[in-house]
Amino acid sequence: DIVMTQSPATLSVSPGQRVTLSCRASQSVTTHLAWFQQKPGQAPRLLIYAASTRASGIPARFSGSGSGTEFTLTISSLQSEDFAVYYCQQYNGWPPWTFGQGTKVEIK
Amino acid sequence: QITLKESGPTLVKPTQTLTLTCTFSGFSLTTYGVGVDWIRQSPGKALEWLAFIYWDDEKHYSPSLKSRLTITKDTSKNQVVLTMTNIDPADTATYYCVHMVVGPSHYYMDVWGRGTTVSVSS
Repeated sequence: DIVMTQSPATLSVSPGQRVTLSCRASQSVTTHLAWFQQKPGQAPRLLIYAASTRASGIPARFSGSGSGTEFTLTISSLQSEDFAVYYCQQYNGWPPWTFGQGTKVEIK
Repeated sequence: QITLKESGPTLVKPTQTLTLTCTFSGFSLTTYGVGVDWIRQSPGKALEWLAFIYWDDEKHYSPSLKSRLTITKDTSKNQVVLTMTNIDPADTATYYCVHMVVGPSHYYMDVWGRGTTVSVSS
């Protein structure tokens, strides 16, 4: 299975700051990479797929980049509603599809 | 509008079989390029992909759980059922049903159910 590793595990940030989250794949997944946001008690929400394509209704402050094994999710100016856990997920070919262990973005 | 709702027992005893049902609306599992996944999340842990069923009935399972899982669909009822045998306390989790779009080069899990929480205890 492809292992997805996210860093850091926790990020303490002030509102308005720019945030960069990292995700690394154990082997190339080309651009078959998605990002999800999960708030406490809620289901995950799709933010980005194809490494850099925003899902429907996702604000422009969220952007994704990368290819191969290194990926980044950037939040240009963190809003109060963005404090959450973020997961990356690879979908290279047919399953198994795997998720990273998550990065928690918390208030500084 | 696509919606999915998971249902099933909240408490299961070890060694029993767990049956979870996903009832959906807003799409058909007879449509090309559409699939449904089951994903779970143990308390305080990351997401774990379990199984996938495609519109043409192709099925895939997590290698580590393959011997214990069965996924089926009933297109007339708009339901997907996940069965997990020989349940263990480690299977305590919230189980999510997810709509998936399978495009020519990219797939994405765009709509999630709210999840159903299952506890395993004697």
